[in-house]
Amino acid sequence: DTGVSQNPRHKITKRGQNVTFRCDPISEHNRLYWYRQTLGQGPEFLTYFQNEAQLEKSRLLSDRFSAERPKGSFSTLEIQRTEQGDSAMYLCASSLARGGNEQFFGPGTRLTVL
Amino acid sequence: GENVEQHPSTLSVQEGDSAVIKCTYSDSASNYFPWYKQELGKRPQLIIDIRSNVGEKKDQRIAVTLNKTAKHFSLHITETQPEDSAVYFCAAPHTGFQKLVFGTGTRLLVSP
Repeated sequence: DTGVSQNPRHKITKRGQNVTFRCDPISEHNRLYWYRQTLGQGPEFLTYFQNEAQLEKSRLLSDRFSAERPKGSFSTLEIQRTEQGDSAMYLCASSLARGGNEQFFGPGTRLTVL
Repeated sequence: GENVEQHPSTLSVQEGDSAVIKCTYSDSASNYFPWYKQELGKRPQLIIDIRSNVGEKKDQRIAVTLNKTAKHFSLHITETQPEDSAVYFCAAPHTGFQKLVFGTGTRLLVSP
């Protein structure tokens, strides 16, 4: 499968616990994005990397959220001290820096905070 | 920043009819407008996009039109089929940034 992959696909955690999600972009894509989607809404931007540099962060991304892309390939999104309001689908997308902004999404990680 | 509005929120059609979904955007500098289809429990899938240097683009039964003056763009699906049933999202880029701002989605139901 040469598309964007995400792990785990589902995560159930208790409030206050830390969780970490992983995204593997399409191999030649140097841009990687994290979005969050709640039921009945469109994806909302969280943060974006070009290669290993984190170039933009949304105000939605509180200090409990951190994202990394250490070698410019896969990325991780960590949420510390989870809250029930963090329950959502976390989507990763990737694109090529040249030629346009076609973003291709992964299947998402559904987080449920109890 | 960019603001994207999408209408209608739900759309029911009979198989074989056409469906039109409309979006407006606020930032006149936006130059790229994708449409995504999302089936229940699945990832958003890019189905068609248009850039600001063209007014229309077609791909089989799907077409997108862009009116830069009015700052709106539309998705047209002809000869709808039950498998077209899904939620459709339009999007536009935030000025000067790579992030996409999405509309609120249109739930399309195609009845056989």
